[in-house]
Amino acid sequence: TQLLEQSPQFLSIQEGENLTVYCNSSSVFSSLQWYRQEPGEGPVLLVTVVTGGEVKKLKRLTFQFGDARKDSSLHITAAQPGDTGLYLCAGVDSSYKLIFGSGTRLLVRP
Amino acid sequence: GAGVSQSPSNKVTEKGKDVELRCDPISGHTALYWYRQSLGQGLEFLIYFQGNSAPDKSGLPSDRFSAERTGGSVSTLTIQRTQQEDSAVYLCASSLAGPGEKLFFGSGTQLSVL
Repeated sequence: TQLLEQSPQFLSIQEGENLTVYCNSSSVFSSLQWYRQEPGEGPVLLVTVVTGGEVKKLKRLTFQFGDARKDSSLHITAAQPGDTGLYLCAGVDSSYKLIFGSGTRLLVRP
Repeated sequence: GAGVSQSPSNKVTEKGKDVELRCDPISGHTALYWYRQSLGQGLEFLIYFQGNSAPDKSGLPSDRFSAERTGGSVSTLTIQRTQQEDSAVYLCASSLAGPGEKLFFGSGTQLSVL
C-alpha cells in the first residue's frame, strides 16, 4: 500500500514567519497535488507537480517535487492569517486512485 | 450546477439505522470520488467511479457500505446498520476525466451516529 506521510502534523506560527511542510513516501508517484482545506469546506487544489525536481510558485507559496518523485514540500514565505488551514498532499497510486496524506494543520496568529 | 453539491450537509442518526448520502457532481465530469474524513485528519479513500462503473471498491470499510452512480451523474453512498465509528465527514469530489486531474470537492456531509 502506498502511503503519504506529512510533517509536521500541526504548526502554529506568528504572522510574517516562514514555514515548510513536507510530504514523503517510499513509493514513486507520477504526480503530486497539494490542496488546502478550510473548516466546513472541501479541499481546494493549489497546485499539481509532475516532473521530478519541478518547482512551482503561487504567490508566497513554493512547491517542490523531489527528484525521485517520492516526496514534495510546500514552503510559505511571510505567512499571513489567511494561510490558516489544513494542507493536504495527494498522489495517484498504482491502482489509479488518488490517495491523501494525513494533513498539516497550519495556524497563523496575527 | 456550478459546483459539486452534497446533501444533506448534516445528518444525525441512531446506531443501527441506515443512511443515504447524495452527491451531485459537476456536469460533464466523468469521474466521481467518495472520501471519508475524521475530525481534522486526512482523507480516507472509499470508492471511485468512472462513468457508472466503480473500478476500485477496495476502500469501502465493510460490507455495510455501498455506493452507486446512475446516468453518469448523481451518486449515492449508503451505510447500513450505522455504527458510532462511522461518524465522520463524507466528502464527494468529481473530475473531468480521472485520477491525477484536478478534483473539485463538495462541502461534505457531516454524519453523526449516536
